[in-house]
Amino acid sequence: SAVISQKPSRDICQRGTSLTIQCQVDSQVTMMFWYRQQPGQSLTLIATANQGSEATYESGFVIDKFPISRPNLTFSTLTVSNMSPEDSSIYLCSVVKGGFETQYFGPGTRLLVL
Amino acid sequence: QQQVKQSPQSLIVQKGGISIINCAYENTAFDYFPWYQQFPGKGPALLIAIRPDVSEKKEGRFTISFNKSAKQFSLHIMDSQPGDSATYFCAASSVGQFYFGTGTSLTVIP
Repeated sequence: SAVISQKPSRDICQRGTSLTIQCQVDSQVTMMFWYRQQPGQSLTLIATANQGSEATYESGFVIDKFPISRPNLTFSTLTVSNMSPEDSSIYLCSVVKGGFETQYFGPGTRLLVL
Repeated sequence: QQQVKQSPQSLIVQKGGISIINCAYENTAFDYFPWYQQFPGKGPALLIAIRPDVSEKKEGRFTISFNKSAKQFSLHIMDSQPGDSATYFCAASSVGQFYFGTGTSLTVIP
């Protein structure tokens, strides 16, 4: 398994500002992902965080809005830039260890944009 | 296009009853089918998973039934308890690509 921590756990931000979310894993992992989850909704993949290279973004998500870093095999950050109330959501970090199978999720960061 | 279709959207079961959640997929390249359980305010947690070379996997009160020919799989929760009340997501994956169902909100009534 993998123990994943996220910081902050929640935040309230003003429109137009940016927030950086950190994801730390207790061991090296193969893949790291960032998801968004609206309350009561399913998981929407934002991007795959690639170690040492640019993240791979899903359709509808762009690097200017959601810049991602992954400097090593245990850490990644997601920045939500120029926030609007529509960005209010839960942001989840997830990882895959070993083979491309089991995915583990962090506890999430609850973001409210006013 | 939804790669994994999940039903029902919500489910209410009496304590001690059986909860059944169904999922269907189209892509035969999927080779791993996990179920996740998510409590309010928490991230999804892996509950149980199955590969397509077996038709059933049981862990305690939780069982996955897998029908490869029909491209369907389901989660059965036996003797459902109020503590099982949560949202359940099925998923399908292949080589690092993960696709999630839309989720089922389960409420177990005491």
